[in-house]
Amino acid sequence: TQLLEQSPQFLSIQEGENLTVYCNSSSVFSSLQWYRQEPGEGPVLLVTVVTGGEVKKLKRLTFQFGDARKDSSLHITAAQPGDTGLYLCGGSNYKLTFGKGTLLTVNP
Amino acid sequence: NAGVTQTPKFQVLKTGQSMTLQCAQDMNHNSMYWYRQDPGMGLRLIYYSASEGTTDKGEVPNGYNVSRLNKREFSLRLESAAPSQTSVYFCASSEAPGGARYEQYFGPGTRLTVT
Repeated sequence: TQLLEQSPQFLSIQEGENLTVYCNSSSVFSSLQWYRQEPGEGPVLLVTVVTGGEVKKLKRLTFQFGDARKDSSLHITAAQPGDTGLYLCGGSNYKLTFGKGTLLTVNP
Repeated sequence: NAGVTQTPKFQVLKTGQSMTLQCAQDMNHNSMYWYRQDPGMGLRLIYYSASEGTTDKGEVPNGYNVSRLNKREFSLRLESAAPSQTSVYFCASSEAPGGARYEQYFGPGTRLTVT
């Protein structure tokens, strides 16, 4: 069984702060996806990283795939209340394995 | 282009009742999935269909059955609902069943309560 551990599990910060959440595994993945889920809705795909060491930016969000393709991080710069949600990582080989998520709350 | 749609959005069942959750996608994806999401447990795969005509068990298949009706539609059936099946159910689809670009697209979910 391939497990993905996400940390922290919960994060509450003030608007304007920076934050990093992590997604770690002992398994190597072909790719890794990050999703954001808002209350009452389904997860929405943010980004896919494929190559070890790859960095992708989506406005104030920066995603990095570890060199060994076993871990990933998501960094948010100057967080805003609209960033509030559950952030899920999913590691892909034949099946997609999800972590349990980081619940982020950004307070005004 | 609606993406992935699910019906119903909410459902309350009594123990022992049956129901079918419907899912459809309009992205011409080959693969479809059913997950349940419970607090502290993350997303757990119930069943998936790698391609039209095939279905396979996921992590938590007991108490459920599925039908891949055609390329667009994938239904999930609870034959005899139990309180342990109270959950939020998500359907998802992807272009391929695996590989380097295994991106899934989710529906809005069905919130099921079994009393």
